[in-house]
Amino acid sequence: QVTLKESGPALVRPTETLTLTCTFSGFSLSTTGMRVSWIRQPPGKALEWLARIDWDDDKFYSTSLKTRLTISKDTSKNQVVLTMTNVDPVDTATYYCARLVMAARLSYFDYWGQGTLVTVSS
Amino acid sequence: QSVLTQPPSMSAAPGQKVTISCSGSSSNIGHNYVSWYQQVPGTAPELLIYDNDKRPSEIPDRFSGSKSGTSATLGITGLQTGDEADYYCGTWDNSLSAWVFGGGTKLTVL
Repeated sequence: QVTLKESGPALVRPTETLTLTCTFSGFSLSTTGMRVSWIRQPPGKALEWLARIDWDDDKFYSTSLKTRLTISKDTSKNQVVLTMTNVDPVDTATYYCARLVMAARLSYFDYWGQGTLVTVSS
Repeated sequence: QSVLTQPPSMSAAPGQKVTISCSGSSSNIGHNYVSWYQQVPGTAPELLIYDNDKRPSEIPDRFSGSKSGTSATLGITGLQTGDEADYYCGTWDNSLSAWVFGGGTKLTVL
């Protein structure tokens, strides 16, 4: 059974660095073909993809946010960590992690975490 | 501004059929498979359709997907009040080397 769960601070001050952790079970990121992404959703707005990390440590980032994002994995702990620097109130959102199935031209998120709401405010 | 374009909202009566469009380009939908997600307010998105037209086993066959060129469509028949949700399309974009979502369609069943 695959599960993912996000954790991190509920409140972050502007200009600070946000660190979010995705703890998962039911699969290993050391297994060939496994990938995990972070996605966020500001209140009342659409989903926005942020970053992806693969089993071989390949990493991909949103074009608009890549200078502020870093994604990493700890295979031994079954965790994926996302850091976002210099946060702003516009970064207030529910942050989700999800497992990404990807091969050739096919890709989809088959399992999602419940999400964690992060508010950026002074 | 989302890379994939969806109508912001749609509505239909219970029992009716609705189709939600998702328009992209050659670097995303035109080259890769599309997936669709249902998000009931207050909950995480759920995979509805993958590989353009396949359903996870727990998704009823009232939901269908198709793709033609640079556009994809989600169809829902026999609408139920429980289908009221936001629906998102998504795929990988080869030019951006990034996943892209549509802006979402809010479906109202009235």
